[in-house]
Amino acid sequence: DVKVTQSSRYLVKRTGEKVFLECVQDMDHENMFWYRQDPGLGLRLIYFSYDVKMKEKGDIPEGYSVSREKKERFSLILESASTNQTSMYLCASRRPSGRQFFGPGTRLTVL
Amino acid sequence: AQKVTQAQTEISVVEKEDVTLDCVYETRDTTYYLFWYKQPPSGELVFLIRRNSFDEQNEISGRYSWNFQKSTSSFNFTITASQVVDSAVYFCALSAVIQGAQKLVFGQGTRLTINP
Repeated sequence: DVKVTQSSRYLVKRTGEKVFLECVQDMDHENMFWYRQDPGLGLRLIYFSYDVKMKEKGDIPEGYSVSREKKERFSLILESASTNQTSMYLCASRRPSGRQFFGPGTRLTVL
Repeated sequence: AQKVTQAQTEISVVEKEDVTLDCVYETRDTTYYLFWYKQPPSGELVFLIRRNSFDEQNEISGRYSWNFQKSTSSFNFTITASQVVDSAVYFCALSAVIQGAQKLVFGQGTRLTINP
């Protein structure tokens, strides 16, 4: 079975902390994505990666960075967490045909 | 610009009623894909269907059916004889090439509540 896993389901951090959200896929997919989901806004793309060490900004990259050192792992980094980054974060992995597989999500609260 | 609009923010019906979730999209691409995903309370997005822009045949899968109409840029989703387990947030999405890369553009989502 296809699997995308995210390191935490729930996370609580303080303003100014550096936060790492990890995503791992076992499908050998080249493409990986990070979204944030907010009520009334749907899913918005933060960053995506075509392949190892390659990354591209999405629609809302400000305040975030990413790392892709290995094909199966795509990390989202909040350099200095702020309260407006409280959200649900979803990772996805893509087959060449275009269908994306999603992880269970990480609900991040920044206090 | 690529855009997906799900005008219904929330829908609430009684079990066994039929319900239709609307999706309208905008794109200049001639080839594209449309998707529906379901997000139950557990949070994980579950893939329901993908439709190629060249294939306007309607699709039925059990109690689910999809009506794709290119003329009105719509890709509506109907659940027949709804059940409590259908309660979820449903997202419509468009696969589009943006900045040279193929990405998914999501609608705002429709929260569907099926009451017993």
